[in-house]
Amino acid sequence: NAGVTQTPKFQVLKTGQSMTLQCAQDMNHEYMSWYRQDPGMGLRLIHYSVGAGITDQGEVPNGYNVSRSTTEDFPLRLLSAAPSQTSVYFCASSGQGSDTQYFGPGTRLTVL
Amino acid sequence: GDSVTQMEGPVTLSEEAFLTINCTYTATGYPSLFWYVQYPGEGLQLLLKATKADDKGSNKGFEATYRKETTSFHLEKGSVQVSDSAVYFCAQYGGYQKVTFGTGTKLQVIP
Repeated sequence: NAGVTQTPKFQVLKTGQSMTLQCAQDMNHEYMSWYRQDPGMGLRLIHYSVGAGITDQGEVPNGYNVSRSTTEDFPLRLLSAAPSQTSVYFCASSGQGSDTQYFGPGTRLTVL
Repeated sequence: GDSVTQMEGPVTLSEEAFLTINCTYTATGYPSLFWYVQYPGEGLQLLLKATKADDKGSNKGFEATYRKETTSFHLEKGSVQVSDSAVYFCAQYGGYQKVTFGTGTKLQVIP
């Protein structure tokens, strides 16, 4: 049981490049979320999904896209990276009716 | 809107010292309250939680009591160890994936 996995662990991009951060969970959780963590700001919700085919925006969605075609996977896409997107990104999942989230190990992204 | 406020760090303590990290929340209704811990280079993991007023969550020697009258959920530990060095996040869950985190408090325990 791997829990929540994220790839890559580290990534450096140039301004304007695109990339996809991968997230997968093997706990059959309905809910999945993406957060960014910045110094002094805690975790801020980017997008979330309550099930396959259903996504919604969080607190800071601009510049990011998501889709949820399967229960297991919830990729986060940066279409045109900007230096303001330099951050640590965490994926989390939780079961239906549960208030506890399980976090992946994070992806540290630097945009030059 | 909902918010969580926790004391700013970093907090530096000697081994075996008493720890308190303050946390207050604002929310409509009665949210579940959490403390998550983040060890260096890792994701967050649940430390403890409480789901209703006067509940006490506890784990690994840490405790926190849900105080509705003061809207607080302070984290305490009687004797910290070097291995407790981490960042601690207070959070509240308002239902339907709506989790609000505090800004985190870094704890450093020195031998």
